[in-house]
Amino acid sequence: DAKTTQPNSMESNEEEPVHLPCNHSTISGTDYIHWYRQLPSQGPEYVIHGLTSNVNNRMASLAIAEDRKSSTLILHRATLRDAAVYYCILRDVTGGGSNYKLTFGKGTLLTVNP
Amino acid sequence: GAVVSQHPSRVICKSGTSVKIECRSLDFQATTMFWYRQFPKQSLMLMATSNEGSKATYEQGVEKDKFLINHASLTLSTLTVTSAHPEDSSFYICSAREQASGANVLTFGAGSRLTVL
Repeated sequence: DAKTTQPNSMESNEEEPVHLPCNHSTISGTDYIHWYRQLPSQGPEYVIHGLTSNVNNRMASLAIAEDRKSSTLILHRATLRDAAVYYCILRDVTGGGSNYKLTFGKGTLLTVNP
Repeated sequence: GAVVSQHPSRVICKSGTSVKIECRSLDFQATTMFWYRQFPKQSLMLMATSNEGSKATYEQGVEKDKFLINHASLTLSTLTVTSAHPEDSSFYICSAREQASGANVLTFGAGSRLTVL
């Protein structure tokens, strides 16, 4: 599986935007970029995913570099409830159902200050 | 949206006993479910892929005789930790994909925290 590199931790202030970076220099053409987050003592939660174009949903935006070797998850206005570990994961779309398994790295621990 | 339920959320057992954890897809069918384990301050580690009606596929280093997985229906997978020991204490999390909708994302359960005394 292609690997991703994320900062171990980041800090933000409440109601300010947060940009969480992810490097994936060995990404292949069939890899989707997925972001999940895990709040304390809970299972991970889907945030957003994309292939080539930037994506927006109610939770966040995903900005993907033109060469796809990096991406940035953008939380437009951080709240205290956004404090979590954010995981950037590459998933190969080829193959069957088993290829929907996700390999988690260490992620970025986001702290949001009031 | 898709919901995955795990039960129990917390369980404490004595060393040597077996513990069963259930993972249910509440409003969708899932032919494939995934079981993860997470130790404190570590990331999630995939243990196995649970396949409805067939044997589970275990990741390297995971003992299939210790972690029994049964996926007897399209909405239920169970993980049984047999002869549990204190080192099996961990946070166990399952996930599933809602195939009918074509969604390319996984829905995770809230996790089951196992403590073995």
